[in-house]
Amino acid sequence: DAGVIQSPRHEVTEMGQEVTLRCKPISGHNSLFWYRQTMMRGLELLIYFNNNVPIDDSGMPEDRFSAKMPNASFSTLKIQPSEPRDSAVYFCASRPDGNSGNTIYFGEGSWLTVV
Amino acid sequence: GDSVTQMEGPVTLSEEAFLTINCTYTATGYPSLFWYVQYPGEGLQLLLKATKADDKGSNKGFEATYRKETTSFHLEKGSVQVSDSAVYFCALSDPGNDMRFGAGTRLTVKP
Repeated sequence: DAGVIQSPRHEVTEMGQEVTLRCKPISGHNSLFWYRQTMMRGLELLIYFNNNVPIDDSGMPEDRFSAKMPNASFSTLKIQPSEPRDSAVYFCASRPDGNSGNTIYFGEGSWLTVV
Repeated sequence: GDSVTQMEGPVTLSEEAFLTINCTYTATGYPSLFWYVQYPGEGLQLLLKATKADDKGSNKGFEATYRKETTSFHLEKGSVQVSDSAVYFCALSDPGNDMRFGAGTRLTVKP
């Protein structure tokens, strides 16, 4: 079975440009998560969707960040305009709905560098 | 809110040494507890989990026991290998909620 698929794997962009990260969750999973990982701040939850609806977006750092989930098989995280401090690894993860014992499955991450 | 606190690293051990990485949690309900591992250049993957008090999760020689009385879920392994070098994350999930991760502990095992 395919796991969580993220694209692009690596992106280098200039400050001020728009960045769009994409995620395809595991089929049948009802919950989708976006995390950001940096050396300084560790792993931070940015936003959590359940059944395509944003449940908790309190971790989205500022208005430059937005996330959408138009359907059960696709989500985007957009940064506009990008800044050097946005450089990080962005992980998408999905989980079957149901009880809290369900495992979260991570994609391989999108490595973003803003110069 | 719910949170986990885990031992700060980095941890450096010699091969075949005993490993303990401490993790404690704060939760209002009855969470499930997890250990995830991240190898260089990869995403996080589940190592083991426990869904109720006194449960023991185990995998690849690693173990952790869900201790409600001490709100802990410490990770242990009796004899580490070089291939265990990675970053280890403790995490919890409450019913209906997202999953919260600790800061991660980097383990380096030297031959």
